[in-house]
This record gives sequence, structure tokens and C-alpha cells, in this order.
Amino acid sequence: KNEVEQSPQNLTAQEGEFITINCSYSVGISALHWLQQHPGGGIVSLFMLSSGKKKHGRLIATINIQEKHSSLHITASHPRDSAVYICAVANTGNQFYFGTGTSLTVIP
Amino acid sequence: GAVVSQHPSWVICKSGTSVKIECRSLDFQATTMFWYRQFPKQSLMLMATSNEGSKATYEQGVEKDKFLINHASLTLSTLTVTSAHPEDSSFYICSAKTFRASGLVTQYFGPGTRLLVL
Repeated sequence: KNEVEQSPQNLTAQEGEFITINCSYSVGISALHWLQQHPGGGIVSLFMLSSGKKKHGRLIATINIQEKHSSLHITASHPRDSAVYICAVANTGNQFYFGTGTSLTVIP
Repeated sequence: GAVVSQHPSWVICKSGTSVKIECRSLDFQATTMFWYRQFPKQSLMLMATSNEGSKATYEQGVEKDKFLINHASLTLSTLTVTSAHPEDSSFYICSAKTFRASGLVTQYFGPGTRLLVL
């Protein structure tokens, strides 16, 4: 069993839809990251969370430490949001564990 | 915000040549830098951890003589793929760790370098 599990693995949405990607982890963490990987491979760090909620534009990330769960929400989705979204957690020794990613396709 | 850059973003080379990839932290000093490799549709896998001024620590199964890592300064780490072969074709990502004044450990990811060995 992977230390980090993401769901869904693949997601197709219509433009404008509200999207949620989930991440569950099994290790004690110091921080959780949400990364966006574009089709060409380039990675962008979206959020780093250790508690609560963060918002950046149309993106919202939440984390529940007790439940070992985080969600990434995209409001008013757009085709340019199409990418692979990766959840990564750093344990208390700062060792990273990565989810396999959620492939999002937003259709115009 | 803090930025980690990688150069080049793309490299295509012939089998047998060596390729150097640079990772720079642009507005902070990175106490530790990490190198990851990602194969298509797979998770990022840690290759090695490098601390400035000391030898890199390699993960099991990663050949240290094949993947040379140099962390010469607090803002630069390089990964050299020596005598590259087609099976080394992959996406290489670096990450830099720093300690903030608050004591918070922060880690930032570079955009990645795609290597294609012909």
C-alpha cells in the first residue's frame, strides 16, 4: 500500500465545473504539497500546507491532520487547468512520499 | 515567492554522452537539495540527497558513478548523467530545502528537465 493515495486517478470535467481531488496519507507529516505537472512535464508548486486551508485564485487546498486527508479544489474550471495534480507529503524526517497523480482534463 | 530553476528544461543527446543538469535556488539558500526521477505515468522517485559541501546520499538502486551530484554552493546543485543510455531517458526534478527564520522547513520544486537519449 502506498503511503499516499490520490483519487480519482483520472478526471474529465466540463469547463466551469467545480473539481475536487482527494489525497489520503498514512504517515505522520510535517507538510503536504500539491503540485501541478503540465503535459510537457514542467512542475509547479501550488500549495504547501501543514494545517487548515489555503486559497490562491481559483484553487483551494484544505488539510485535516486528524483524518490524514487533503483536498484540492478548483472552482470554475478552465481547459488550461488540464494537467496532472500530484499530492506529496513530507514526514517529520522531511522524507517525501508522492501520490501517483490525478490526471485532469477540462473540456471546453 | 521562492523559486527553484533548472537548466536545461529539455535535452536530447546521443547514447554515450554525458549530460549536466543544473538546479538553482534563486532567492534563498538551500541547505539541502534533492534529485528525483519520474518515468511516464509514475510517481516521482528520489534518487539522491545532497548537502552543500558534502557527498550526496544515494537511494538504493541508484548508481552514484552514473549519476554524479555536486552541491558546490548553497544555491547550486548539478546532476551529471554520465555515459547516458536510452534507458536513462526520463524527467529529472530537483527540489531545494531551506529553513525559514520561523524555524519552518520549506521545500520547493524545480520545473524539471526532460532528458531524451537517442
